[in-house]
Amino acid sequence: GDSVTQMEGPVTLSEEAFLTINCTYTATGYPSLFWYVQYPGEGLQLLLKATKADDKGSNKGFEATYRKETTSFHLEKGSVQVSDSAVYFCALRDNNAGNMLTFGGGTRLMVKP
Amino acid sequence: EPEVTQTPSHQVTQMGQEVILRCVPISNHLYFYWYRQILGQKVEFLVSFYNNEISEKSEIFDDQFSVERPDGSNFTLKIRSTKLEDSAMYFCASSEEVEAPYEQYFGPGTRLTVT
Repeated sequence: GDSVTQMEGPVTLSEEAFLTINCTYTATGYPSLFWYVQYPGEGLQLLLKATKADDKGSNKGFEATYRKETTSFHLEKGSVQVSDSAVYFCALRDNNAGNMLTFGGGTRLMVKP
Repeated sequence: EPEVTQTPSHQVTQMGQEVILRCVPISNHLYFYWYRQILGQKVEFLVSFYNNEISEKSEIFDDQFSVERPDGSNFTLKIRSTKLEDSAMYFCASSEEVEAPYEQYFGPGTRLTVT
């Protein structure tokens, strides 16, 4: 079946540091890929998405590129802020297998001033 | 900005009791979902619902679970006889459509604790 693996946290960075959170996937079909973010006390919010190979999703300074050859969708940001502290979830939707999202385990990011 | 809301934020119940978790999806959305996250584990899909019927369900969604849209605004998840292992955060989500572009909007979750 489909699965998503992302690096375990917590990831602790100083403000303005470069962020990478790794995400790899396995899918029987051709998936769409997503990053969701969960701020404390809130629901999951879509951060960015990519629907086909080589697409780059971007939002709020975050980027991720759909790499079919390495089955990866790593999240990056050039300069993190304290307000980016949250839990980040990588997810896929297998476009041949219905509407459900398959999530990775989540990575907690802590940014210190 | 429209958002998905869930009540209660925290529910404590005794094993064997029935619980109903409530969600109000975004008003013009047509597709509704329940997910759960057991502490320390992944967010897992439970069920999707469209046009007043279940469109998909996972292996987790057994006969103990049911969903309903009792009126034009609420979407509920019922667990008939709770077990200790049902303790988790339950997330409701809704989407306007299922074809790309595609986004599921999530609520803040209900933490269910079964004692």
